[in-house]
Amino acid sequence: EPEVTQTPSHQVTQMGQEVILRCVPISNHLYFYWYRQILGQKVEFLVSFYNNEISEKSEIFDDQFSVERPDGSNFTLKIRSTKLEDSAMYFCASQTGHNQPQHFGDGTRLSIL
Amino acid sequence: QKEVEQNSGPLSVPEGAIASLNCTYSDRGSQSFFWYRQYSGKSPELIMSIYSNGDKEDGRFTAQLNKASQYVSLLIRDSQPSDSATYLCAVTSNTDKLIFGTGTRLQVFP
Repeated sequence: EPEVTQTPSHQVTQMGQEVILRCVPISNHLYFYWYRQILGQKVEFLVSFYNNEISEKSEIFDDQFSVERPDGSNFTLKIRSTKLEDSAMYFCASQTGHNQPQHFGDGTRLSIL
Repeated sequence: QKEVEQNSGPLSVPEGAIASLNCTYSDRGSQSFFWYRQYSGKSPELIMSIYSNGDKEDGRFTAQLNKASQYVSLLIRDSQPSDSATYLCAVTSNTDKLIFGTGTRLQVFP
């Protein structure tokens, strides 16, 4: 069964450094998402992406965050200058179309020191 | 603020019993409803989707939706120890972003 794949599985970074989290969505999916889950808390929406542009973003997704789909397969989340509070699991998800279920990747655990 | 509420649990049921998980949501305009299972340290895994009032069955799982009461539930029949996980209710409104509840932790004991 097709899967959403995310790399790396774990990223450790010093505060203030830039990180790029990578995702390969399922190939025929058109809508892409990033969510995060701080340890012990609920899964929170960050951003949605469709037709090569951001369709919605949350209050969390400030100027330090950006997303890109640089080629036909990868979907990346960049955090420009990481803070301690960015430590969380980051999940990429994709869906075929409006209102369809979203399928999640295994996540990247981001640890900021 | 659109909210999704779940009892955090744990809900403990014996093996073979029916587990009943509940969720309420605040936005009356919510359109799509999903149940995800999340094992500790893992990603959400889709269990069920439901879009209209009534019941939807898939194997041992039944999702129930009541839009008038803003309530969605998940029944797991013949519960197995491998069903022990956190069950996340997620809802969409006028956009496709998922709004998650905090999840209910289910423990199935032998």
